[in-house]
Amino acid sequence: GEQVEQRPPHLSVREGDSAIIICTYTDSATAYFSWYKQEAGAGLQLLMSVLSNVDRKEEQGLTVLLNKKDKRLSLNLTAAHPGDSAVYFCAVSATSSGQKLVFGQGTILKVYL
Amino acid sequence: AQTIHQWPVAEIKAVGSPLSLGCTIKGKSSPNLYWYWQATGGTLQQLFYSITVGQVESVVQLNLSASRPKDDQFILSTEKLLLSHSGFYLCAWSPPGELYFGPGTRLTVL
Repeated sequence: GEQVEQRPPHLSVREGDSAIIICTYTDSATAYFSWYKQEAGAGLQLLMSVLSNVDRKEEQGLTVLLNKKDKRLSLNLTAAHPGDSAVYFCAVSATSSGQKLVFGQGTILKVYL
Repeated sequence: AQTIHQWPVAEIKAVGSPLSLGCTIKGKSSPNLYWYWQATGGTLQQLFYSITVGQVESVVQLNLSASRPKDDQFILSTEKLLLSHSGFYLCAWSPPGELYFGPGTRLTVL
């Protein structure tokens, strides 16, 4: 079945710098890709999702890149600020219903002043 | 707008005791609903999903069960808790390829 590897597990960046998180997946039939943010003690918040026909998507300081050839998905937080400190998860799905969403291991991001 | 609620917010239970966690979603008819479990500091593991009332599919066996008694309600339960059940339980609903999560229930089994 689908396997997702996420790295790095921990990431510390200075305020204003960019932070990049990468996920690789194994199933070439993967159709849906998404990123989630989890703040301490809270549920997950959907940040952005893309379909397999999208290579790049930008929204509100976030950039998602999808490289289908290398089966790699990345999230770039440009100009990170302390409020971005959280755990970030990628998730992928090979089905249109999302019934089998597979999550990465998570990246703990800390943004310091 | 859709809203998803979970109850209780947190539970501390004894090993061997029963458990019932609830999830309701408002503003969406016939949603796909999911239960996820997250160990402390870990990733998410899908437990169950349901696409319609009365129909629940199990993804992993963790001595838990789920039911969907109403279109907007999803219940997670067990008759006997194990220490390994401790963690964060998240309910979610899904349009294709995305998940919208509830606030979660923190369960501590002692």
